[in-house]
Amino acid sequence: QVHLVESGGRVVQPGRSLRLSCAASGFTFRSHAMQWVRQVAGKGLEWVAVLSSNGGDQFYADPVKGRFRISRDNSKNTLFLDMNSLRIEDTATYRCAKGSASVGVTGFLDAWGQGTLVSVSS
Amino acid sequence: SYVLTQPPSMSVAPGQPATITCGGDDIGRKSVHWYQQKSGQAPLLVIDYDFHRPSGIPERFSASNSGNAATLTITTVEAGDEADYYCQVWDATSRHWVFGGGTRLSVL
Repeated sequence: QVHLVESGGRVVQPGRSLRLSCAASGFTFRSHAMQWVRQVAGKGLEWVAVLSSNGGDQFYADPVKGRFRISRDNSKNTLFLDMNSLRIEDTATYRCAKGSASVGVTGFLDAWGQGTLVSVSS
Repeated sequence: SYVLTQPPSMSVAPGQPATITCGGDDIGRKSVHWYQQKSGQAPLLVIDYDFHRPSGIPERFSASNSGNAATLTITTVEAGDEADYYCQVWDATSRHWVFGGGTRLSVL
């Protein structure tokens, strides 16, 4: 059974940095693209970033490009999101999601974590 | 950037059909995925690649995609279908994944 568990979310001041982790199990992690998706409480889903299975392709949403970096450690079945220069508008629950694609970054999301809350506040 | 437009909300009586639209410029040329998100839960894939229903999703869920609109249809709505529904596409031009704004389905 696929299991995704995010961690690392906390209250942080604007301008500071934070690293989120997503521990994956129940599938061959190195064979799947992975995404980060965030959601402000009571609002819709917002795509953040995607990373191909081998880490060769990575793309970012415009609001986070240049500030966030997605990466993975296939030896530890873990996905990361390094968040720099955090802004108040980055406050949200961040979920990692497993992509169906084994090559590239397309394909649907067939498993999601429960999320970790990031709150950016002074 | 590519935009997907969904109605914010709709209400349907149990046993009646519900059709949720997802509008986008020439969306018929893209592959659309649909997700259901119940209150307090993570999203769940209900339709992939325009009309394919994943294992475990009831046959009441179907979808299509053509022209400038994709649609998700629930043929006979049940109380348990009350949720937010999101469409998603990959925009190869911008190399962005895009979600629609979501449609809150209320079951009367």
